[in-house]
Amino acid sequence: TQLLEQSPQFLSIQEGENLTVYCNSSSVFSSLQWYRQEPGEGPVLLVTVVTGGEVKKLKRLTFQFGDARKDSSLHITAAQPGDTGLYLCAGALTDSWGKFQFGAGTQVVVTP
Amino acid sequence: GAVVSQHPSWVICKSGTSVKIECRSLDFQATTMFWYRQFPKQSLMLMATSNEGSKATYEQGVEKDKFLINHASLTLSTLTVTSAHPEDSSFYICSERTSGRDTQYFGPGTRLTVL
Repeated sequence: TQLLEQSPQFLSIQEGENLTVYCNSSSVFSSLQWYRQEPGEGPVLLVTVVTGGEVKKLKRLTFQFGDARKDSSLHITAAQPGDTGLYLCAGALTDSWGKFQFGAGTQVVVTP
Repeated sequence: GAVVSQHPSWVICKSGTSVKIECRSLDFQATTMFWYRQFPKQSLMLMATSNEGSKATYEQGVEKDKFLINHASLTLSTLTVTSAHPEDSSFYICSERTSGRDTQYFGPGTRLTVL
């Protein structure tokens, strides 16, 4: 059972368009992380959000953490081919040995 | 952020042999390390949680006798795939979480191919 529902699974857009990826859960997380992964490499941390309602911006990327700390979104403005990759959200569980629950991932393809 | 290295980055072995993968934290004294496997175009599947000096905690369905984990020091954890078979071929990734930090940092992964 996937505790973190990530959508959409796949997104193909053209350069310059905007996109949003969602992660939703019925569980409360102490924090949530977003990663981007390239083929054959480990995930690279983009951001950690901790406070309910928090909004963080990283250049063209905007991350939101829901007020109840159960959901999050990643919005990319004016996507570029370099944004292509697998985007993963991961929630830090408050129990269970400090493990993280991962979403299924969103494969984003940005074509020139 | 923390820097985590893995060695080797890829390995090809014959069926029935054992393969050891090292995960090393270079910046922080990692208190907890996690081992994941990932199949093509899929998300990460947690295999086990490893803490220095104690036995690893395995996820349901992961054979502890097949995937041996040793966390001998704060900065080094190893995963040994024993008697590897072709179905063990996968991308294995480790991560570390330092006490007091709510974030994990990943290694670059190890591609295991069992012939």
